[in-house]
Parts: sequence; C-alpha cells; structure tokens
Amino acid sequence: DAGITQSPRHKVTETGTPVTLRCHQTENHRYMYWYRQDPGHGLRLIHYSYGVKDTDKGEVSDGYSVSRSKTEDFLLTLESATSSQTSVYFCAISEPGAAAAPSSGANVLTFGAGSRLTVL
Amino acid sequence: AQSVAQPEDQVNVAEGNPLTVKCTYSVSGNPYLFWYVQYPNRGLQFLLKYITGDNLVKGSYGFEAEFNKSQTSFHLKKPSALVSDSALYFCAVRDFNTGFQKLVFGTGTRLLVSP
Repeated sequence: DAGITQSPRHKVTETGTPVTLRCHQTENHRYMYWYRQDPGHGLRLIHYSYGVKDTDKGEVSDGYSVSRSKTEDFLLTLESATSSQTSVYFCAISEPGAAAAPSSGANVLTFGAGSRLTVL
Repeated sequence: AQSVAQPEDQVNVAEGNPLTVKCTYSVSGNPYLFWYVQYPNRGLQFLLKYITGDNLVKGSYGFEAEFNKSQTSFHLKKPSALVSDSALYFCAVRDFNTGFQKLVFGTGTRLLVSP
C-alpha cells in the first residue's frame, strides 16, 4: 500500500448525504482508478483517470462522480449516498508503458488499503 | 467483452500440499492475464502476469500460473501451500475495448490453508 493513501478508511453515513473519498499518491503515476468490491462481484471499475482533468466512466459509474485537479489526487464523490453504495472502495494507480513487453510495469495496478463505506 | 471466471468460491488445502486456484478467460484476441492476492483488511497485491512468451509464469511468494490457450485457462499454482497463503485471490484480464489499460476482475476465490 506504500505510496497510496485513501481517506477516510472508514465512514458511516446516512442515505441522501454527500460523501467524498480521497485517493492520494506519491508515485507520480499517470493513471488512477476507483473500484468497488462487493461479495459475489469481485472488483468493479467505477471511474478512471488518464491524466489531470481527464477522466472517464467505468462499468458501474451511476451515482458517482470524480475529479482530478492534480496528478497526486483523485476524488470520488457520491452526490447523494444510497444503501446500494455500501461497499469497500479501492483506489489504484498504474503507469503507461510498453504493454506487450512481459517485463513492463504497464497494466500492473497498485492498490490502496481501501475505504469502507456504510450507508444507513 | 473481456471477462474472467473463477469457478470456485473457496479452495481448501492442507499445509504442504500443492494448491490450484482456477481461472478461465473469454477475450477477443490475445489475452493479458493477471493474478492478485488480497490479505484481510488490505488492498490487492500483484502476484504475476502473462503477456506473451513462456506459458508458465513465475511470480511472488513461490506462486506460478500456467497459461493454456486451448482450454482458455490461467490457473494459479503453488507446489507446497503455507498457512500464510490463506487469502482472497483474484484473476483479471485487460480490457482492450476502450484502448485504455483497464482490468476486469473475477469474483475471487478464497484460499484456506489448514495447518
């Protein structure tokens, strides 16, 4: 988990309230991701970023927004939290590179420790 | 769409015995395949990957994985399991549909190694 800090690590909130999760990296990696982990579903991609101010949707983006104003920070916002958003959220980072080279670090994601969110 | 399947929710093995955690994939084109491990209350850690080349890939902590194109499988193996190997294991494949290096993960397999 070195080089990636997620905050808060635990949060309990009520339905309808806004929530922001923060991911901070010190690796200067270009790509950043937000995944959620749920039993029976594994990890599913919410949003990702390929540079400052460059973001795009993943497979489960409804109800979430993101922002990346600096290389090191990637914020995930739930505008109005719902119980279905109770989950463990993971931030990840990676670097572009020669993806077809076996020794390349491309495609290798480094994950943060996770943020456990409970929406009551 | 690119996808991976992990058919076993849990695998039980005795310490010292060989272990196998199964993964099958469905992709168009050549697959880029990965294994990650998650210990309790931690993020996922990279174990190994297959991009091209030798079908037997060696990774961290004594793990290896065998790529089998005819069976579309990428099973994770270790010759002698340790109690400390008990964790949640995820198989993943790169999604090339968008041209961006996203990974699609399986649902995970819990490995329990008994003393």
